[in-house]
Amino acid sequence: RKEVEQDPGPFNVPEGATVAFNCTYSNSASQSFFWYRQDCRKEPKLLMSVYSSGNEDGRFTAQLNRASQYISLLIRDSKLSDSATYLCVVPTGRRALTFGSGTRLQVQP
Amino acid sequence: EPEVTQTPSHQVTQMGQEVILRCVPISNHLYFYWYRQILGQKVEFLVSFYNNEISEKSEIFDDQFSVERPDGSNFTLKIRSTKLEDSAMYFCASSVTAGYDTGELFFGEGSRLTVL
Repeated sequence: RKEVEQDPGPFNVPEGATVAFNCTYSNSASQSFFWYRQDCRKEPKLLMSVYSSGNEDGRFTAQLNRASQYISLLIRDSKLSDSATYLCVVPTGRRALTFGSGTRLQVQP
Repeated sequence: EPEVTQTPSHQVTQMGQEVILRCVPISNHLYFYWYRQILGQKVEFLVSFYNNEISEKSEIFDDQFSVERPDGSNFTLKIRSTKLEDSAMYFCASSVTAGYDTGELFFGEGSRLTVL
């Protein structure tokens, strides 16, 4: 299994839809997990952290399933501005964060 | 809002030339990183730096690469003899605590390196 694996997409959804992305990780010792957002040709920015079973922030919910070693990101009521690539990020070293390849979301009017 | 700044935004160089990419991390941050992203590919870890020394590096960060914090504000990445495959966007990042604690790395806008 790769360190961090994501479905590349793209996910094309209409405005208002609910969409979910999954990410699997290989390091069972990882304790914390993160979702970053990256707009086209821009820098990544932290979206959410997941430390235990889950985290919710407005329209965004992140969940962790340690037994199956995956985390998910749910976006409710999608907006056009949610169009971006969503990066799953897992600590894999003493200081390093390993980024997944990302899942591209395109929200359409 | 404090931000990480990087220069140059774009550099074009000939294969075999030395390149220095510069970064000014957020002033109260203690951990510094370089990542790179080849066009269309994922963000890859290169190196982390803490307390004036490298704390971790990836297999990409070979002898051609070096980092330095020459003064209290700048953090540089040097590539000694560039190769075609070094063409990528190089992101500098900084954090208050170790990245794996909070996951909150603040990235600069990147320096695009094109090697011809």
